[in-house]
Amino acid sequence: NAGVTQTPKFRILKIGQSMTLQCTQDMNHNYMYWYRQDPGMGLKLIYYSVGAGITDKGEVPNGYNVSRSTTEDFPLRLELAAPSQTSVYFCASSYQGNPEAFFGQGTRLTVV
Amino acid sequence: AQSVTQLGSHVSVSEGALVLLRCNYSSSVPPYLFWYVQYPNQGLQLLLKYTTGATLVKGINGFEAEFKKSETSFHLTKPSAHMSDAAEYFCAVSERSGGSYIPTFGRGTSLIVHP
Repeated sequence: NAGVTQTPKFRILKIGQSMTLQCTQDMNHNYMYWYRQDPGMGLKLIYYSVGAGITDKGEVPNGYNVSRSTTEDFPLRLELAAPSQTSVYFCASSYQGNPEAFFGQGTRLTVV
Repeated sequence: AQSVTQLGSHVSVSEGALVLLRCNYSSSVPPYLFWYVQYPNQGLQLLLKYTTGATLVKGINGFEAEFKKSETSFHLTKPSAHMSDAAEYFCAVSERSGGSYIPTFGRGTSLIVHP
């Protein structure tokens, strides 16, 4: 009964460091998404994937990369962390034909 | 292109009072509409959704919303607020484009409930 699992829950990075935010789902959903949430701004789409091997940019992709080698996993990579990437990151998934998205618990990232 | 506007970043009500959170959307095709709730330090969970059929939809915890196409609105209501309803609420729209559904979210409304 795991749903969408994100790791880590919290992370502090120094400027210029890199890291990967992990996301995995066990619902066999083919669609997966990464959003960032900033106070008063709602959720902004970073990248999404409609299936293994297929990814596409969202509204705010700069500074991020993704890959989708399996149906279950959709990691988000930050190559050169910047203070502007301080945010809460949410991974979500949905099933083709059903627009309802299921969310993970989020990763709170601080870049100092 | 789709977009969502939530009127009011904060709504404050007394316990037992009516809750009304406003959401207007724009969409070039018939949309799917959602309300999500986020409790502190948690992810988003679905409150209710409109896909097709009846325009008044009921969700969890006594919330309901009505899809009004003529007004492009999907306002969220609850007859009597409870302290446990204090949270951030997000309206979202999703339209089918090339076989994909990509949810677009409003900026959120923080519901404050006073004793």
